[in-house]
Amino acid sequence: DVKVTQSSRYLVKRTGEKVFLECVQDMDHENMFWYRQDPGLGLRLIYFSYDVKMKEKGDIPEGYSVSREKKERFSLILESASTNQTSMYLCASSTLAGGVPFFGPGTRLTVL
Amino acid sequence: AQSVSQHNHHVILSEAASLELGCNYSYGGTVNLFWYVQYPGQHLQLLLKYFSGDPLVKGIKGFEAEFIKSKFSFNLRKPSVQWSDTAEYFCAVNEEAAGNKLTFGGGTRVLVKP
Repeated sequence: DVKVTQSSRYLVKRTGEKVFLECVQDMDHENMFWYRQDPGLGLRLIYFSYDVKMKEKGDIPEGYSVSREKKERFSLILESASTNQTSMYLCASSTLAGGVPFFGPGTRLTVL
Repeated sequence: AQSVSQHNHHVILSEAASLELGCNYSYGGTVNLFWYVQYPGQHLQLLLKYFSGDPLVKGIKGFEAEFIKSKFSFNLRKPSVQWSDTAEYFCAVNEEAAGNKLTFGGGTRVLVKP
């Protein structure tokens, strides 16, 4: 059974803290994605990666960075968390040939 | 930039009613199209996908969708809904020219009354 796991289901942080969200997939997928999900806005792409150490900006990269040191792991970093980054964060992975993305369960981040 | 529009934000209907959710996208090139569902408290699951071939695609749980290229649309349908179809539904589009970037619509919350 394919699996995308995210390190935390719920996270509460304070404004200004550095936050790490981790995502691991066990399907040997080349592509990995980070989205945030907000009511009425659907899912918006923050960053994606098609290979180790490669990254591409999505539609809303401001305030975020990413790291992909190993194929199976894709980390999202909030350098200095702000209240407007309170959201549900979803990780996904897919094959390089544009296969169907599989999603993790999400991390609900609250920034106080 | 590509955009995906889902016209209905909220839909409320009774069991056994028919459901149709609209999805339109702005890109004119070759696209792959998806519908995902998110049940309360659960992660996103793929309902169905269209890559090529027959524009009428069938997915899981009795859902189907029709790709109409001339209208840039990929509407989701189910002839008779059940209470368990209460969920949020997302349309997503992948432009082949943009690699594997998947763009989502804003979602439609569907509430099925028993």
